Amino acid sequence: AQRVTQPEKLLSVFKGAPVELKCNYSYSGSPELFWYVQYSRQRLQLLLRHISRESIKGFTADLNKGETSFHLKKPFAQEEDSAMYYCALNAGNMLTFGGGTRLMVKP
Amino acid sequence: NAGVTQTPKFRVLKTGQSMTLLCAQDMNHEYMYWYRQDPGMGLRLIHYSVGEGTTAKGEVPDGYNVSRLKKQNFLLGLESAAPSQTSVYFCASSYPGQGGLAGDLYEQYFGPGTRLTVT
Repeated sequence: AQRVTQPEKLLSVFKGAPVELKCNYSYSGSPELFWYVQYSRQRLQLLLRHISRESIKGFTADLNKGETSFHLKKPFAQEEDSAMYYCALNAGNMLTFGGGTRLMVKP
Repeated sequence: NAGVTQTPKFRVLKTGQSMTLLCAQDMNHEYMYWYRQDPGMGLRLIHYSVGEGTTAKGEVPDGYNVSRLKKQNFLLGLESAAPSQTSVYFCASSYPGQGGLAGDLYEQYFGPGTRLTVT
């Protein structure tokens, strides 16, 4: 069965510091991974997907099949990045989500 | 274009009562999903539908039923509510993958959520 693990429930950094939100997965098939974000009082929305290999709002994520990881990174955190972040794995017709990491960026 | 809407936004039920949550989307999406969100557990899929008239079980289907009589609506029912069903419920919708291939999802669009408390 597929599984997504986000080991940190809370990550607190200062503005301008680098950020790395960890995501590890287990899946027997070819993985398709996503990061979703939920800002305060807003809906959950897609941040990025690994197949696009794009940078959104300064965030990037690289799929490492050897380490079965898909960590989300940003070199310089901004206060507006404070939100709940979920890593998700495509498994057939559905997404399996991790437990989420709350990112707090302090001024 | 309202996207995905959910009704109601909040509800308090007593144990044993029943209710139906309504999800509606105006994007002509084939796929629709119901999740529950609990602290530390992320989003867990309850049921989903890949088209009008079809439904399938997700990770945590027990105690819930669903129906997809119209393409734009996906209903989640609780026949006999229990305190363990206190949660925030999210609906989502998406297109199928390119060419309709299974396992190739486009972005899921989420509703604003329904906060349900069962006392």
